[in-house]
Amino acid sequence: DTEVTQTPKHLVMGMTNKKSLKCEQHMGHRAMYWYKQKAKKPPELMFVYSYEKLSINESVPSRFSPECPNSSLLNLHLHALQPEDSALYLCASSQGAGATNEKLFFGSGTQLSVL
Amino acid sequence: GNSVTQMEGPVTLSEEAFLTINCTYTATGYPSLFWYVQYPGEGLQLLLKATKADDKGSNKGFEATYRKETTSFHLEKGSVQVSDSAVYFCALRVNDYKLSFGAGTTVTVRA
Repeated sequence: DTEVTQTPKHLVMGMTNKKSLKCEQHMGHRAMYWYKQKAKKPPELMFVYSYEKLSINESVPSRFSPECPNSSLLNLHLHALQPEDSALYLCASSQGAGATNEKLFFGSGTQLSVL
Repeated sequence: GNSVTQMEGPVTLSEEAFLTINCTYTATGYPSLFWYVQYPGEGLQLLLKATKADDKGSNKGFEATYRKETTSFHLEKGSVQVSDSAVYFCALRVNDYKLSFGAGTTVTVRA
């Protein structure tokens, strides 16, 4: 199994809603990532978890709250989002996180629309 | 800081044409270099990579050579197919968790 699975594929939410994005991998990878990608732009790193601990938070607003319940799962909890947060949210994983030549495996993403 | 500059797109080609996408980088330290591809409606997939100077990465007919003297990692394919239509991202990684992506180049191949 070389897949990173993200659910849901599409999500529409209001600015007062609370929702969660989920990501799962069964490759035994110990690093997991959240990226945000606006249309026609490259992905921007949001968070990195290494061995289930938050390693990097790229100054992301607190309305985005990541969680790594175990080594296979990564969640992104959303609360009080703004319309400008509408984007494709990509999860990725890698074997480790320290080597520069690590390959990242990406999921297909959750297309989020905030109304 | 670390950054990647890619040629501006979009690029439109006919089938069997030669494709080149230019990529240059600026990095502190010794980066690994990558090309990722994103097909419509999907996440990114690693296309190829190179980890040191003069390394050549290759996959699915695509090639790129790590040129330290010109700080470049240009992507080439000799004969493109319609199925190669996608967005291509050049990226680098130095000694942290962060992949630095270029802006992406949209390639459309016409039959």
